[in-house]
Amino acid sequence: QKEVEQDPGPLSVPEGAIVSLNCTYSNSAFQYFMWYRQYSRKGPELLMYTYSSGNKEDGRFTAQVDKSSKYISLFIRDSQPSDSATYLCAMSSVSNDYKLSFGAGTTVTVRA
Amino acid sequence: GAVVSQHPSWVICKSGTSVKIECRSLDFQATTMFWYRQFPKQSLMLMATSNEGSKATYEQGVEKDKFLINHASLTLSTLTVTSAHPEDSSFYICSARDDRGEKGYTFGSGTRLTVV
Repeated sequence: QKEVEQDPGPLSVPEGAIVSLNCTYSNSAFQYFMWYRQYSRKGPELLMYTYSSGNKEDGRFTAQVDKSSKYISLFIRDSQPSDSATYLCAMSSVSNDYKLSFGAGTTVTVRA
Repeated sequence: GAVVSQHPSWVICKSGTSVKIECRSLDFQATTMFWYRQFPKQSLMLMATSNEGSKATYEQGVEKDKFLINHASLTLSTLTVTSAHPEDSSFYICSARDDRGEKGYTFGSGTRLTVV
């Protein structure tokens, strides 16, 4: 079993729809949770950063962390074609020297 | 926001030569930086953890003599691919963890290395 599980998709939605992404994990020591967007042949871009459990909103993006269920989510409202990319969840802990553990990435296409 | 500059963005080199890739945090200090390798349509594979002022920590299976890492300052880490071979051709990405904490990790734009 992988430490971080993420459905690779692909996920295709019409413009304006809500994109829902999620990851599950097995290591209860994880404290820091991130979502990245990666376009082809580019480095990942940090979208959301959350420490411990809770919700965080930034513009069209909402991140949720449920440590009791070991489950994190990212919601993208009013999706745009420019949101078409691969989305990676990542997490880390002090006990693992802050190394990031990544999900496999979900490829999202927003259709105009 | 936090910015990490990675250079070069792409490089072509001859087999047997060495290539140096720079990773620089522009507006924050980073005691810890990470180097990754990414194959097409796959997630990032951690190669090593670079710590300012000390030796890098390499992941299992990564040759430390082939992938030399130097973290000479709080804003600069370099990865040198020595005696490169075609199988080293890949996309290399660095990331930096802000020393102030609770800021997430910022990635560079990546370097596409092609060894011919």
